[in-house]
Amino acid sequence: NAGVTQTPKFQVLKTGQSMTLQCAQDMNHEYMSWYRQDPGMGLRLIHYSVGAGITDQGEVPNGYNVSRSTTEDFPLRLLSAAPSQTSVYFCASKRTGGNEQFFGPGTRLTVL
Amino acid sequence: KNEVEQSPQNLTAQEGEFITINCSYSVGISALHWLQQHPGGGIVSLFMLSSGKKKHGRLIATINIQEKHSSLHITASHPRDSAVYICAVSPNYQLIWGAGTKLIIKP
Repeated sequence: NAGVTQTPKFQVLKTGQSMTLQCAQDMNHEYMSWYRQDPGMGLRLIHYSVGAGITDQGEVPNGYNVSRSTTEDFPLRLLSAAPSQTSVYFCASKRTGGNEQFFGPGTRLTVL
Repeated sequence: KNEVEQSPQNLTAQEGEFITINCSYSVGISALHWLQQHPGGGIVSLFMLSSGKKKHGRLIATINIQEKHSSLHITASHPRDSAVYICAVSPNYQLIWGAGTKLIIKP
């Protein structure tokens, strides 16, 4: 099993550009989530999904969209990047009813 | 006030020292998690606790539900233990995260 994979690992964008951060898991986990990690702060939940076709907002959803067309994939879209979105982004998954989350390696995004 | 507080924020110790990292929380929880984030950035789950104590190798995690407090201990610390240790709590299926404790173990 590859676990949770994320691409790209690094990305630099200009303000106003759009891009999609990819996340995939091969563990058949129903629950997937996106976090951002900023210096001196705990991880903050952006969006999450409890299953294919179902998504919901977390703590800091503004500026981000998600979709969940399959169990495996949970892409995060930035429609118009802003410098405030410079951060490290982590995707995670877990099975429904389970407590342990499995994390991807992260994507370091810089918006100039 | 943050719902999950960790202390200390930074800790530097010599190899071999006994390490304690503390986590206090203010919400009702179903479980508490300790995770490790290495300098490369990857996050790994160490423990999930709902009561008592768990041990894995040189790592020990304890939780006191009544006091809403947990500790992570590292015995015989080693430079490879250098990482950020993160406490997170589950009031439901989501996690509330502490800001992390950066641990450096010097040889």
